[in-house]
Amino acid sequence: GENVEQHPSTLSVQEGDSAVIKCTYSDSASNYFPWYKQELGKRPQLIIDIRSNVGEKKDQRIAVTLNKTAKHFSLHITETQPEDSAVYFCAATGNTPLVFGKGTRLSVIA
Amino acid sequence: DTEVTQTPKHLVMGMTNKKSLKCEQHMGHRAMYWYKQKAKKPPELMFVYSYEKLSINESVPSRFSPECPNSSLLNLHLHALQPEDSALYLCASSHQSAWSTYNEQFFGPGTRLTVL
Repeated sequence: GENVEQHPSTLSVQEGDSAVIKCTYSDSASNYFPWYKQELGKRPQLIIDIRSNVGEKKDQRIAVTLNKTAKHFSLHITETQPEDSAVYFCAATGNTPLVFGKGTRLSVIA
Repeated sequence: DTEVTQTPKHLVMGMTNKKSLKCEQHMGHRAMYWYKQKAKKPPELMFVYSYEKLSINESVPSRFSPECPNSSLLNLHLHALQPEDSALYLCASSHQSAWSTYNEQFFGPGTRLTVL
C-alpha cells in the first residue's frame, strides 16, 4: 500500500522568511496530493492540493510542487506570518483512501 | 451550506456507557469518513461510507459501530470503550466515491472524547 514520508517534523522560521515542507510517496498509482493545515484544537483544513497532471500550483503565498518521477511533492509558504503557525499534513491517494504523512509543526517567530 | 458539522464538541464517558457521535453535511457528498486522531499524530482512518454503504472498515474494534442513515448523516455508536480510545474523532466528506481520483475531503470540527 501507499506510504507517505514527511520532513521535517518541526520547523521554525522568522516572520517573513519562507518555509518548505517535503513529502515522498511510494505508490506510483497515487494521483492526488492535498495539504492540510491544523491549528491547535481545530479541524484539518485543506489549504492546497495538486493532481498528477500538474507540476506546480500556486495560491497567493502558498505553492505546491510535484515531481512524479521522483515521487515527491513539496509545500512552499512565502512571507510567513505568525498565523501560519500550525501543524501541516501532506497526503496522497490514488485508488485507496488518503494516506497522511506524520505532520510538520511550523512555528513562525515574530 | 459548505461545512461538515459534528456533535457533541466534547464528550466524557465511562467505560460502561453507550453514546453516539453525529456528523452532518449538506454538500451533496456521497462519501463520508470517520477518523480518529491522537495528539501530535495524523488522522487515522476508521470507516468509509460510499453511497450510504460501508465500504471500508480498517479493522476497528466492534465497540465502535458506524451507521449512515442517509446521504447527509453519519453516526458513530460507542459502547464499552477503553481509556485508550480517548481522542479527537473527526468526520469528513467528499464528492463521488470514496477514493475517486480527484477527491477533496472536508473535515468537521471533531468531537473530543474522553473515556474515564
